[in-house]
Amino acid sequence: AQSVTQLGSHVSVSEGALVLLRCNYSSSVPPYLFWYVQYPNQGLQLLLKYTSAATLVKGINGFEAEFKKSETSFHLTKPSAHMSDAAEYFCAVSDEGGSGNTGKLIFGQGTTLQVKP
Amino acid sequence: DTAVSQTPKYLVTQMGNDKSIKCEQNLGHDTMYWYKQDSKKFLKIMFSYNNKELIINETVPNRFSPKSPDKAHLNLHINSLELGDSAVYFCASSPGQGNTIYFGEGSWLTVV
Repeated sequence: AQSVTQLGSHVSVSEGALVLLRCNYSSSVPPYLFWYVQYPNQGLQLLLKYTSAATLVKGINGFEAEFKKSETSFHLTKPSAHMSDAAEYFCAVSDEGGSGNTGKLIFGQGTTLQVKP
Repeated sequence: DTAVSQTPKYLVTQMGNDKSIKCEQNLGHDTMYWYKQDSKKFLKIMFSYNNKELIINETVPNRFSPKSPDKAHLNLHINSLELGDSAVYFCASSPGQGNTIYFGEGSWLTVV
């Protein structure tokens, strides 16, 4: 069974500082990995995804993540935080699936990013 | 030009009532989902349909019944609502396994 663990339910950074949100996964097959962002009272928006191509994945809003198989990690980073980055961030792994196209996502617990002025 | 739209966005109802949440996607995707986000913001899949056929049914009470009249629509009906059903319900769609899943804006259900 696949699973995702996000280390740190709350991360607080100053505006302009590096953002690092940690995600570790467990999967018996090469995983598809995703980062989603959820702004208050809104749905989930895809930031980026890894699907076995380049290990360094660039996403929207200046975010990127690096797939490290040896560490089973897919940490999300951004060089310089903006106030508008304050939100909930979710790491997810796509289910192996069985017959048919399921592709359900298994989510981590989420990390709340606070950006201080 | 909303890709995945769900209605209503907010719903407050009394215990014991029956309610439905509707979802439509205009992306031409074959697969649709219902996810539940609890008060601790944990997201978990409830159901998945592929081309109108149920393919995932997690351990969800029988009071929850999804219906897919066509591959662009996936509605969620909930009978005999309980306090614990209060949550945010997200509809989503995808072209298939490994592809991006696109989420709706969510339906905030409060049972009082």
